[in-house]
Amino acid sequence: DAGVIQSPRHEVTEMGQEVTLRCKPISGHNSLFWYRQTMMRGLELLIYFNNNVPIDDSGMPEDRFSAKMPNASFSTLKIQPSEPRDSAVYFCASSLGPFLDTAYEQYFGPGTRLTVT
Amino acid sequence: LAKTTQPISMDSYEGQEVNITCSHNNIATNDYITWYQQFPSQGPRFIIQGYKTKVTNEVASLFIPADRKSSTLSLPRVSLSDTAVYYCLFDSGGGADGLTFGKGTHLIIQP
Repeated sequence: DAGVIQSPRHEVTEMGQEVTLRCKPISGHNSLFWYRQTMMRGLELLIYFNNNVPIDDSGMPEDRFSAKMPNASFSTLKIQPSEPRDSAVYFCASSLGPFLDTAYEQYFGPGTRLTVT
Repeated sequence: LAKTTQPISMDSYEGQEVNITCSHNNIATNDYITWYQQFPSQGPRFIIQGYKTKVTNEVASLFIPADRKSSTLSLPRVSLSDTAVYYCLFDSGGGADGLTFGKGTHLIIQP
């Protein structure tokens, strides 16, 4: 398996533009997680899905952020409109765990480095 | 809110044993403690996981005291390639807000 795939790897955009980050989880994994990493706040869980259903989005910072998982092999994280403070590395991870269960290892993608100018 | 404490950075030399401790005072009763390793420009990678006492795998050991309010990652005989950031992860309950990565310990190994 190729592991978790994220695209694009780098995104530079202007404030106010819409940004869409994409993730393909590992086949057979039924949980998917979106994280944001910054120097100030470290790794933060934004939202997680189980069997394509959003379970908990309490980590999503604002209404400008939204995430979807239309099928088991694809998820998107959208920011509209983007702001400079959204600049960060966004990671997608997947696991075999049925829910938010730390007994199951999470497999992380390579991340998308987002810069909003 | 969940709280966790790790040293910000540590230095060591090749061949030494390195121990990194993470405190997690409000871990949930049934939760595992997991450690991840992250290299620059990569996502975190699983190292080891445990619930209590001691766990050992081919790369590390994890020591968890009876009260489970802390855990210690032990890396035997480190090499230059172990230079990375190490995170502990636990769940203090309460959904996504409770899943907490530590701030990370930047381990630097020198020759």
